[in-house]
Amino acid sequence: DTAVSQTPKYLVTQMGNDKSIKCEQNLGHDTMYWYKQDSKKFLKIMFSYNNKELIINETVPNRFSPKSPDKAHLNLHINSLELGDSAVYFCASSQMSSRGAFFGQGTRLTVV
Amino acid sequence: AQSVTQLDSHVSVSEGTPVLLRCNYSSSYSPSLFWYVQHPNKGLQLLLKYTSAATLVKGINGFEAEFKKSETSFHLTKPSAHMSDAAEYFCVVSDPGSARQLTFGSGTQLTVLP
Repeated sequence: DTAVSQTPKYLVTQMGNDKSIKCEQNLGHDTMYWYKQDSKKFLKIMFSYNNKELIINETVPNRFSPKSPDKAHLNLHINSLELGDSAVYFCASSQMSSRGAFFGQGTRLTVV
Repeated sequence: AQSVTQLDSHVSVSEGTPVLLRCNYSSSYSPSLFWYVQHPNKGLQLLLKYTSAATLVKGINGFEAEFKKSETSFHLTKPSAHMSDAAEYFCVVSDPGSARQLTFGSGTQLTVLP
């Protein structure tokens, strides 16, 4: 059983399109995250949800909108995709951040 | 505020020789510290974690890290490198004042030469 699963694994789309990435965790964790990894491998947090409530919202364009229908899911919707959005997006979950987080396999988004 | 500095962007070692990946942190509180590994085109795997218990932490695949508060360091070591250790390694900090946020270092690419 995959602990944190995200779909799709690869996503190629044209500029201006709207796309979603889904994330599900079966660990019973109360906190979920989205991270963006750029071409230089740098990982930066985008959003964090605790029990379906937004607790971290870093400086990202408002074209990015997270949605948490329940504690086990945190989806990422992106409107009007731009070339600069190309990156690998990682979903993660934790029970307490002091114990670390479990990461999904990542979604490689390519905007052409 | 919390931050992490990984002192080397690239480290190259020969197979069978020791590995040292350096990490310094900054935190306003007593932090939790982690090392994650990312193999090419793969996700992130937790290697080990320090959460205010023993300062010498043992992780998977023979890796260890020592928390040194006086030096604000959390260096990762392994006595003998294996070819399969070649990957990107990230040092990560989390403190109670950060709203459950994990802050990543910039990563160290480990190359293992035959």
